[in-house]
Amino acid sequence: EIVLTQSPGTLSLSPGERATLSCRASQSVSSSYLAWYQQKPGQAPRLLIYAASSRATGIPDRFSGSGSGTDFTLTISRLEPEDFAVYYCQQYGSSPYTFGQGTKLEMK
Amino acid sequence: EVQLVQSGAEVKKPGESLKISCKASGYSFTNYWIGWVRQVPGKGLECMGIIYPGDSDTRYSPSFQGQVTISVDKSISTAYLQWSSLKASDTAMYYCARQGSGMDVWGQGTTVTVSS
Repeated sequence: EIVLTQSPGTLSLSPGERATLSCRASQSVSSSYLAWYQQKPGQAPRLLIYAASSRATGIPDRFSGSGSGTDFTLTISRLEPEDFAVYYCQQYGSSPYTFGQGTKLEMK
Repeated sequence: EVQLVQSGAEVKKPGESLKISCKASGYSFTNYWIGWVRQVPGKGLECMGIIYPGDSDTRYSPSFQGQVTISVDKSISTAYLQWSSLKASDTAMYYCARQGSGMDVWGQGTTVTVSS
């Protein structure tokens, strides 16, 4: 089973700043099948990025993903107030599919 | 519109059985994997397992193997998650999601509360 470790656990930033979230895998993620999700309180998760760097439908271009192998990054270029939430990475390259433990992005 | 609609909240006692559902619409149900995801209150997301409705190929995460059963009824485009004997530790929100390039469509979630 591939273990995903996200860092930092909590990130405190202000609107307008740049956010960089990390996701490290215990072994290489097949074909960069790595996704990122945003979850707000009381809501289901929302897909942001798939295949490591492709934005899902309707996702603003301030969200970008990069990486391959075992190291992946989600970048939010200029934080908007609605971006403060919990973010999860998921690998879907090999079964069982697994999630990271999440990064909470909070307003400073 | 592509959507997954889950069954309503459940309150059960330890030892009881339960089957919750996830009805798909707006796309070809048999062509996409469906995953079930658990979220314990205040905690992160855990993938429980996935099923391919086309042939019912099912893969469980080790933590959930033998604890739950995932199934589908293709005739009504519905996936299921069931327990034969609930425990208090099964109290959580359960989501179904379509697994294509990432989990791109999610159900609204079903809250399961297990308490004596």
